[in-house]
Amino acid sequence: SAVISQKPSRDICQRGTSLTIQCQVDSQVTMMFWYRQQPGQSLTLIATANQGSEATYESGFVIDKFPISRPNLTFSTLTVSNMSPEDSSIYLCSARGGAEGETQYFGPGTRLLVL
Amino acid sequence: SQQGEEDPQALSIQEGENATMNCSYKTSINNLQWYRQNSGRGLVHLILIRSNEREKHSGRLRVTLDTSKKSSSLLITASRAADTASYFCATGLGANNLFFGTGTRLTVIP
Repeated sequence: SAVISQKPSRDICQRGTSLTIQCQVDSQVTMMFWYRQQPGQSLTLIATANQGSEATYESGFVIDKFPISRPNLTFSTLTVSNMSPEDSSIYLCSARGGAEGETQYFGPGTRLLVL
Repeated sequence: SQQGEEDPQALSIQEGENATMNCSYKTSINNLQWYRQNSGRGLVHLILIRSNEREKHSGRLRVTLDTSKKSSSLLITASRAADTASYFCATGLGANNLFFGTGTRLTVIP
């Protein structure tokens, strides 16, 4: 299995600022993803992080707001830019691995509160 | 939408009882994965069942899959207070993204 770490684990930020979340996987994985989970809700995919190229964003999410990097197979960052209170959520890094490459693992999440 | 739906939305049982959660989905899948999430934390992967499998066990967990009905169930036997969490199903198709269900919030009363 893959172990995923994220930092920071939580943060409180002021409106208009930006926060970068880091995600590290302990083994090489095929795909990495970023999700958002708003309070009491299920998970929504923000984007697929592609190694060495631009991320693939889901409908409703744009690169200017959520720039993503993935410089190598095991590391990715998500930036939440120009934050507003509506961005208060848990942000989860995820990676697909396992023997058959099907199992999808999740990091512990970053709990963000924007004031 | 491919998002699954889970039933019930909330379930409260006594410790020692069995808990059953159901998941329905709308499209073809390669696999279905169940996760547990403790309050405000990350998701813990519980079990993956492939589309050609009908049942899978892991410890106190039993998962069934009926692709003809596009549904799956997760049974937790002999529940414990520590099983209190939200449980999500997620469906996968090839290299595509996982689509998550709405979740079942399970409370196990000691």
